Amino acid sequence: DAKTTQPPSMDCAEGRAANLPCNHSTISGNEYVYWYRQIHSQGPQYIIHGLKNNETNEMASLIITEDRKSSTLILPHATLRDTAVYYCIVRAHTGGFKTIFGAGTRLFVKA
Amino acid sequence: GAVVSQHPSRVICKSGTSVKIECRSLDFQATTMFWYRQFPKQSLMLMATSNEGSKATYEQGVEKDKFLINHASLTLSTLTVTSAHPEDSSFYICSARAGGARGKNIQYFGAGTRLSVL
Repeated sequence: DAKTTQPPSMDCAEGRAANLPCNHSTISGNEYVYWYRQIHSQGPQYIIHGLKNNETNEMASLIITEDRKSSTLILPHATLRDTAVYYCIVRAHTGGFKTIFGAGTRLFVKA
Repeated sequence: GAVVSQHPSRVICKSGTSVKIECRSLDFQATTMFWYRQFPKQSLMLMATSNEGSKATYEQGVEKDKFLINHASLTLSTLTVTSAHPEDSSFYICSARAGGARGKNIQYFGAGTRLSVL
């Protein structure tokens, strides 16, 4: 599976949009971009995933560049409860379907 | 979303004892489950892939005789930490893959089990 690069930490003001970037320049054509988050001392929570089109659900939006080498997770109106570590993962749906976690981005939402 | 239940949430045991952790998919069948370990301030580390009805596949460096995995049904996988020692103290997390139309290839995670070995 392709490797991802994320900034180690980011700050965001409560009520503002949080934009979390992810680079995945070696992504393969059959690999999807997944985002999970982990709030302190809990299991990871699925947020969203996509292949090449932008995706939106009740939690977030995922913007994938046309060349698919990077993506951005957008939390439109961040709240204090969104403070967590956010993981960007690329993975195919074939094979073992293993999810390998990198270091992620620690997002601090401040009042 | 789908629910993965993990039990117990916390366990404290004496060195040398064995500890069993259960992972259940509550509203879907999971042919594949995964076990992770997480040390403080570190990311999740995949330990093994648990396949229903067959032997688990362990990641490099993970002792299969130390961490016994059983996936006897489509909704239950167990991880047994045998002869636990203080260095096995960690946060253990399971996940299950909801494939096909249900869940669309999403992996759902349990709340984790914090193991403390005295």
